[in-house]
Amino acid sequence: EVQLVESGGGLVQPGGSLRLSCTASGFTLSTNWMHWVRQAPGKGLECVASKNFDGTEMFYVDSVKGRFSLATDNAKNSLYLQMNILKPEDTGVYYCARDLGSGSAFWGQGTMVAVSS
Amino acid sequence: QSALTQPPSASGSPGQSVTISCTGTSSDVGAYKYVSWYQQHPGKAPKVMIYEVSKRPSGVPDRFSGSKSGNTASLTVSGLQAEDEAEYYCCSFAGGISVFGTGTRVTVL
Repeated sequence: EVQLVESGGGLVQPGGSLRLSCTASGFTLSTNWMHWVRQAPGKGLECVASKNFDGTEMFYVDSVKGRFSLATDNAKNSLYLQMNILKPEDTGVYYCARDLGSGSAFWGQGTMVAVSS
Repeated sequence: QSALTQPPSASGSPGQSVTISCTGTSSDVGAYKYVSWYQQHPGKAPKVMIYEVSKRPSGVPDRFSGSKSGNTASLTVSGLQAEDEAEYYCCSFAGGISVFGTGTRVTVL
C-alpha cells in the first residue's frame, strides 16, 4: 500500500527554521518526481518545491528560493524540506506529494506549519 | 509562476453538468500535456481526478472529463452528484515547478 507520512511541523517564530520530513512506503521515492505543496489557511494550493524523477534537479517557487531546500535519504526512503528564515506568509499545511502530473499522483495527509511571534 | 486562473465558484443541480475553466499561459498550460485536476473536500488531502489533460485514473467515475485548447484547460462534471461538492484545482507542469489554479468551489444545489 502506498503511503506518505509527513512530520516536523509546528509553531516557529519569524526568522526561525523547521525541517519537514516525508517518509514513503509502498514505492521508491528516489525514482519519482516528488513535491512539497502548501496550503495557507482558507487558501489555495501552491507547489513550493519539487525534485525530478532521479533527484538530479530541484525546483523552487520564487517566494522560497534561497530559504527552502530539498534533500533525500534513499536509505530511509524519505524526502526533507529544510525551511529557513521563515515568514508569517509561510504558514499553512504542507503536503508531500508524488508525481503531480500523473495518474498515480498521491498525497500525504499534511503537516501544519505556523509562523508567528 | 503565477497561479492559473479559475472561476471562484460553479454550481448545478443533481444530474446537471458543470464545466470549470483553467487559464494559463504558453509557458504552462499551453506548453505541456501535464495538466491535472484535483478534487479537495474540506480537511482532506487533494485527490487526482484527471491527468494529462483528459485521462482518468482508475476508480474515478467517467462523469469526470477534461480537455484543453491553447492556454485553457477545462474540467466537466456530468450527472452531478452530492459527493461532487468540493473544491477543484487545476495543476500544470511549468518546466520544473508545477503551478496550481486559484480553485473553484463546486456546489450541488
